[in-house]
Amino acid sequence: AQTVTQSQPEMSVQEAETVTLSCTYDTSESDYYLFWYKQPPSRQMILVIRQEAYKQQNATENRFSVNFQKAAKSFSLKISDSQLGDAAMYFCAYRSPNTGNQFYFGTGTSLTVIP
Amino acid sequence: DTAVSQTPKYLVTQMGNDKSIKCEQNLGHDTMYWYKQDSKKFLKIMFSYNNKELIINETVPNRFSPKSPDKAHLNLHINSLELGDSAVYFCASSQGTGFHEQYFGPGTRLTVT
Repeated sequence: AQTVTQSQPEMSVQEAETVTLSCTYDTSESDYYLFWYKQPPSRQMILVIRQEAYKQQNATENRFSVNFQKAAKSFSLKISDSQLGDAAMYFCAYRSPNTGNQFYFGTGTSLTVIP
Repeated sequence: DTAVSQTPKYLVTQMGNDKSIKCEQNLGHDTMYWYKQDSKKFLKIMFSYNNKELIINETVPNRFSPKSPDKAHLNLHINSLELGDSAVYFCASSQGTGFHEQYFGPGTRLTVT
């Protein structure tokens, strides 16, 4: 099974600053999909951004962008102009088109936003 | 308008009991999932299911069983509950293939005493 690693259990950022959350994964597949989910204290899982592996262009969604490095198997999330509402657990996820449509999640990074 | 719903949201029960958590999605998705999130927030896949295939994580005890009466529902039955089963359980659904994200339910916090 694919493994997804988030090496930063906790991160903090000053409000209005930029923070980058790291994610690496292990796979032998060439085609796959990557996602970042946010889980605020309400515990609802919310999709933040996604990336198709065959696309070289990094995905962006407003203040959220990714740095996708396929050769390095790295998929980091950058949050610009951090807001208090960004405080949450962030999970990186890998979706394989080949193994029963499974999603593989990292262990999460808890982000604190300091006012 | 709720896309993926779960009931109940909170469940407190005693060891040894049998309980069920219901999940329904109104998105027309063909694949549904159950996850367990422990106190450290680790999100662990338990099952994925579409109308053709059930994939079980081999680490899941056979006290846990998914039951799907139809494509829109995937219920989770748990027999002989143990203290270690206390966690938040999430149901999710997605289109079966490709660039489709999972939609998650609100979670069910299960506490076994």
